[in-house]
Amino acid sequence: AQTVTQSQPEMSVQEAETVTLSCTYDTSENNYYLFWYKQPPSRQMILVIRQEAYKQQNATENRFSVNFQKAAKSFSLKISDSQLGDTAMYFCAFMKHVVGGDDKIIFGKGTRLHILP
Amino acid sequence: SAVISQKPSRDICQRGTSLTIQCQVDSQVTMMFWYRQQPGQSLTLIATANQGSEATYESGFVIDKFPISRPNLTFSTLTVSNMSPEDSSIYLCSVSRQADTQYFGPGTRLTVL
Repeated sequence: AQTVTQSQPEMSVQEAETVTLSCTYDTSENNYYLFWYKQPPSRQMILVIRQEAYKQQNATENRFSVNFQKAAKSFSLKISDSQLGDTAMYFCAFMKHVVGGDDKIIFGKGTRLHILP
Repeated sequence: SAVISQKPSRDICQRGTSLTIQCQVDSQVTMMFWYRQQPGQSLTLIATANQGSEATYESGFVIDKFPISRPNLTFSTLTVSNMSPEDSSIYLCSVSRQADTQYFGPGTRLTVL
C-alpha cells in the first residue's frame, strides 16, 4: 500500500521569503503521479503542481517548484517570494498510474503554512 | 481543468436524518470520487463512482451508510444516512480529466447536532 508522509505539521515564514515543504512517500509502483494541493480557509482544494514519476525534470509553476527525488521517494515543494495569499494547508498526494482509467489519490496529513506580513 | 459545483455548500442537520450532496461537472467524465475530510484531518476516499455501475467503496465505508448515485457522466450524489455527530466533516467530490490529475469541487461542510 502507498503512504505519504509530511513531517512538518505547521510552518511560518515572512512574506517574500522562500519556504520548502517536505514530503516523502512509499510505493512499489514505478509509474505514478505526485501532487501538491493547497487548501485555503475557503476549503477549496486547489492543484498547485503535478509531477509524473517517469519525468526526471522537476515541475515548476511560476513561484512553485518541486524537488523530486525518485530513488529517495522524496517530493518537496518550494515556494519562492511567498505571498500572504499562500497561507493555506498544503497536502502532498500520490496517485498510481492506471492504464485507461483513474485511481484514487492518497494524501499526506498536510502542512499548515502561515505567511506573515 | 474542470468546473465542479457541489450543493449544498454547507448544512446543519439533526442526528438520525440523512443528507444528499450533489456534484455537477461542466463536461463528461468517466469516474467521480467522493472524499471525506474530518475536522483538522486529511482527505480520505469514501468511494469511486462509475457511470452505469455500482460504486466501489473503500475499507470502512459501506453502501448503506453512504449510498451513491451516478445517473450520467456529469452528475453524482452522495447520501450520508442516519447521521451522527461523527459524520460532521467536509465532503468533497473530485473528477479526473485525463487520468493523470484530479480536480476537486468546493466541498460541502456538514455539521450534525
